[in-house]
Amino acid sequence: EAQVTQNPRYLITVTGKKLTVTCSQNMNHEYMSWYRQDPGLGLRQIYYSMNVEVTDKGDVPEGYKVSRKEKRNFPLILESPSPNQTSLYFCASRTYGYEQYFGPGTRLTVT
Amino acid sequence: GENVEQHPSTLSVQEGDSAVIKCTYSDSASNYFPWYKQELGKRPQLIIDIRSNVGEKKDQRIAVTLNKTAKHFSLHITETQPEDSAVYFCAASITRGNTGKLIFGQGTTLQVKP
Repeated sequence: EAQVTQNPRYLITVTGKKLTVTCSQNMNHEYMSWYRQDPGLGLRQIYYSMNVEVTDKGDVPEGYKVSRKEKRNFPLILESPSPNQTSLYFCASRTYGYEQYFGPGTRLTVT
Repeated sequence: GENVEQHPSTLSVQEGDSAVIKCTYSDSASNYFPWYKQELGKRPQLIIDIRSNVGEKKDQRIAVTLNKTAKHFSLHITETQPEDSAVYFCAASITRGNTGKLIFGQGTTLQVKP
């Protein structure tokens, strides 16, 4: 089954404690993205990757890091989380010109 | 850069009525326009898409129209049902080259009242 998976699905953490949200896709897609979703602000892109070892900033990259060492994986790293990063995060993947598939989401709370 | 504006932000209709959501885009090179539906607590999922070489596309009660000259596209839902209640996002993308980036509108919350 074609899918994008994310882990963890829910996470409560404290300010400053480094965390990683994993993302994996099994569709051999070149393009992967991370979004955050906040009430009234829609889907805002954090980072994206056009292929292995090729990443670039989206609209709201501050406070986040990513890496793309393998085609299927695109982890999101928060080196020092802050409360303003409390949000719902979606990983997504697509191949050019076709449907984008979203992961199930990770609800992050930073206290 | 590319920008997508979506209106209205909220829409309330009676069951059985039609609903229309409109989007405009800024980059005339955009050539792929998907619509996503996001139910409460779920991930966005594609419901219909259209490419720039087509003016209209229908799938049962859902249709999308594209006006390239005016740079706008619309989602039409006919005979609405309570299960159509959700947030709908439009998006635009340039598929030539290696960008692959989807630019999303702000979303429309559709409420279908029984």
